[in-house]
Amino acid sequence: LAKTTQPISMDSYEGQEVNITCSHNNIATNDYITWYQQFPSQGPRFIIQGYKTKVTNEVASLFIPADRKSSTLSLPRVSLSDTAVYYCLVGERDSSYKLIFGSGTRLLVRP
Amino acid sequence: GAGVSQSPSNKVTEKGKDVELRCDPISGHTALYWYRQSLGQGLEFLIYFQGNSAPDKSGLPSDRFSAERTGGSVSTLTIQRTQQEDSAVYLCASSLERQSLWGYTFGSGTRLTVV
Repeated sequence: LAKTTQPISMDSYEGQEVNITCSHNNIATNDYITWYQQFPSQGPRFIIQGYKTKVTNEVASLFIPADRKSSTLSLPRVSLSDTAVYYCLVGERDSSYKLIFGSGTRLLVRP
Repeated sequence: GAGVSQSPSNKVTEKGKDVELRCDPISGHTALYWYRQSLGQGLEFLIYFQGNSAPDKSGLPSDRFSAERTGGSVSTLTIQRTQQEDSAVYLCASSLERQSLWGYTFGSGTRLTVV
């Protein structure tokens, strides 16, 4: 798995757009970028995955520049319930091996 | 089942006692993982089971920790002679064999407190 770097914490207010950037300078050709979300007192859950350009689903958008050395998770119009820890992981999409989670980004959404 | 089930949800034990934590993965998921999460920290990998292969035990912090998976389904994580530093949330996850990067489903964890 490629090493990733993301901010330790971020603060936002309800209704704002939040962008969390993850750096992965050593990303390999076959690697995908995956984000997990962990609410307090719960296990992490998968939210989005991408390889290049832009991916959007009902939860978030993922922007990946052409060099793929970073990616940005975008949460539109956050609410208090988006307060969570967000983990960025990079690795081969369909290989059977263990996930190594970093410390993630702790997002706090204020009223 | 519909999700990964872990029991108990909370466990308080005295230092020196043994504890067993149980994980019931999603039916049909051949891969099963145990992680540990201390307060305010990220997830620490402990052990990984894949089908009938020998488990990857590289994350177990000491020989007081062991895990087994019977019949390719339910797994039990055992901690012998518990210490206060073992206090943490123990999370179990499962996945289909070849979807491990995006297909993890986690349980809600067991919060272990050693007093």
